[in-house]
Amino acid sequence: TQLLEQSPQFLSIQEGENLTVYCNSSSVFSSLQWYRQEPGEGPVLLVTVVTGGEVKKLKRLTFQFGDARKDSSLHITAAQPGDTGLYLCAGESSGSARQLTFGSGTQLTVLP
Amino acid sequence: NAGVTQTPKFRILKIGQSMTLQCTQDMNHNYMYWYRQDPGMGLKLIYYSVGAGITDKGEVPNGYNVSRSTTEDFPLRLELAAPSQTSVYFCASSYDGGRRGDTQYFGPGTRLTVL
Repeated sequence: TQLLEQSPQFLSIQEGENLTVYCNSSSVFSSLQWYRQEPGEGPVLLVTVVTGGEVKKLKRLTFQFGDARKDSSLHITAAQPGDTGLYLCAGESSGSARQLTFGSGTQLTVLP
Repeated sequence: NAGVTQTPKFRILKIGQSMTLQCTQDMNHNYMYWYRQDPGMGLKLIYYSVGAGITDKGEVPNGYNVSRSTTEDFPLRLELAAPSQTSVYFCASSYDGGRRGDTQYFGPGTRLTVL
């Protein structure tokens, strides 16, 4: 069974601060996806990274996939209250029907 | 497009009762998935389907059954509800789950409590 450890589990910061969320595994993944989930809703995909060392930017969010494709990070610059939510990483297995292994999530609260 | 819809939104069951969680997608996606999310935990895959008539077990299939008679529908059946099945259940779909990085679209979830 592939496992993904996500840290920190909870993060409460002031508006304007920067933060980084980490996602680590001993397994190699075909790709790594980051989702954001609001209360009472399903996860929504933010980004997919597929190449070791890949960096993707989405406005104030920067996603990085580790060189060995075992870990990833999400960095948010100048966080805003609208960034509040549960952030989930998910590693994709290889094979004919690719399955996602989810991390336990990081609950981010950005205070105004 | 409504995307992925799930019914009911909430349900309380007594131990030993049975129920079916409904999931429908209108995006003509081939792949469909059922996950459960426990408090403070990530999502765990229960069952998935790569097309009508084809289903397979995920990480935590015990206590559940699925069927896929049409492309659109993927119901999840609980035969003998147990307190350990108290969770939030999410259905998802994707166009080509065999393609690396394919996007999964999630429904809004069903919150199930077994007492």
